[in-house]
Amino acid sequence: EAQVTQNPRYLITVTGKKLTVTCSQNMNHEYMSWYRQDPGLGLRQIYYSMNVEVTDKGDVPEGYKVSRKEKRNFPLILESPSPNQTSLYFCASSSLAESSYEQYFGPGTRLTVT
Amino acid sequence: RKEVEQDPGPFNVPEGATVAFNCTYSNSASQSFFWYRQDCRKEPKLLMSVYSSGNEDGRFTAQLNRASQYISLLIRDSKLSDSATYLCVVNGGKLIFGQGTELSVKP
Repeated sequence: EAQVTQNPRYLITVTGKKLTVTCSQNMNHEYMSWYRQDPGLGLRQIYYSMNVEVTDKGDVPEGYKVSRKEKRNFPLILESPSPNQTSLYFCASSSLAESSYEQYFGPGTRLTVT
Repeated sequence: RKEVEQDPGPFNVPEGATVAFNCTYSNSASQSFFWYRQDCRKEPKLLMSVYSSGNEDGRFTAQLNRASQYISLLIRDSKLSDSATYLCVVNGGKLIFGQGTELSVKP
């Protein structure tokens, strides 16, 4: 089954404790992206990657890091989480070869930083 | 001005009603347009792409007006299962998501 998986689905942590949210896709997609979704603000892009070892900042990259060492994986790293990073996070992937630009989203990770 | 703007709603309609959502975008060079559906706090899923000539998929009709820079989504004969948030998405070099319009269909 074609899918994007994220782990963990729910996470409560404390300020300053480093965490990683994993994202993996099995569709051989070149493009992967991380979004955060907050009430009234919609989906905002954090980072994206066009292919292995190619990453770039989105609209709200501060406080986040990513890496793309393998095509299928695109982890999101919060080195020192703060309460303003409490949010719902989605990973997404798409094929650059298809003109539809359809993005396939993971199920989401609900993060709470206290 | 936001790059993509939608009426947040909520739109509360009875079953069988026709409802229309509008979305405006600021980048006149935008090339492609989409409507996504998001059920309560779940992942967004592509509902339909929006073509210049307009397109229809069953009860759903999408239209694009490049001159006025807006796209629309029309849902006819609303079903309870249509209750969701509808996200307007514009590709102007990167995908920009609107805030979403919440639809609640009541019996």
